[in-house]
Amino acid sequence: QQQVKQSPQSLIVQKGGISIINCAYENTAFDYFPWYQQFPGKGPALLIAIRPDVSEKKEGRFTISFNKSAKQFSLHIMDSQPGDSATYFCAASKSWRGSTLGRLYFGRGTQLTVWP
Amino acid sequence: SAVISQKPSRDICQRGTSLTIQCQVDSQVTMMFWYRQQPGQSLTLIATANQGSEATYESGFVIDKFPISRPNLTFSTLTVSNMSPEDSSIYLCSVEEGLAVYNEQFFGPGTRLTVL
Repeated sequence: QQQVKQSPQSLIVQKGGISIINCAYENTAFDYFPWYQQFPGKGPALLIAIRPDVSEKKEGRFTISFNKSAKQFSLHIMDSQPGDSATYFCAASKSWRGSTLGRLYFGRGTQLTVWP
Repeated sequence: SAVISQKPSRDICQRGTSLTIQCQVDSQVTMMFWYRQQPGQSLTLIATANQGSEATYESGFVIDKFPISRPNLTFSTLTVSNMSPEDSSIYLCSVEEGLAVYNEQFFGPGTRLTVL
């Protein structure tokens, strides 16, 4: 059973546009929601993460929006650039002992292409 | 964040042979994870490797096929045994690191394995 569902599978955006990727989860015990960016031939790189004590987190052009009641979270990339073209994975985890994350449950990934 | 290296970066192996993948971290970490990523797919957790204890395997993965060692807090190995073409994947190690209040997880660059 897919613990985290991610959509869309692929996304094409014009340079300067907004890219939006959505994820949904079922397990209400999840309390950590990271996004990873992966370029071809590279390992996933942590992009931004949020915990459910806030509804939004912004780092530069990247924003996570979190809706606890709907059990959904999304990544917004503002002013999308060709260099943002990569595969994006959302994930979720249930922390324990206060800060330890343990295993991450990943979405299936979204391949983003930004046209110049 | 921790700097993670993996060896080899890629390999082409014959069916029936075994390959040992090394993961080295530049700082001491308690929790390490091994993931598999098949071409164009998401990440699947193989096992969690904590120093001083036996690795914990996920459903569908067994120790005889994927033996793991974790001799100290900066190093781990994953062996892919008796390989078949279905084992062709990217193998990634990740570590959990405490940053400020919360932990985050970071990935190595991956080992791209092709089995002929």
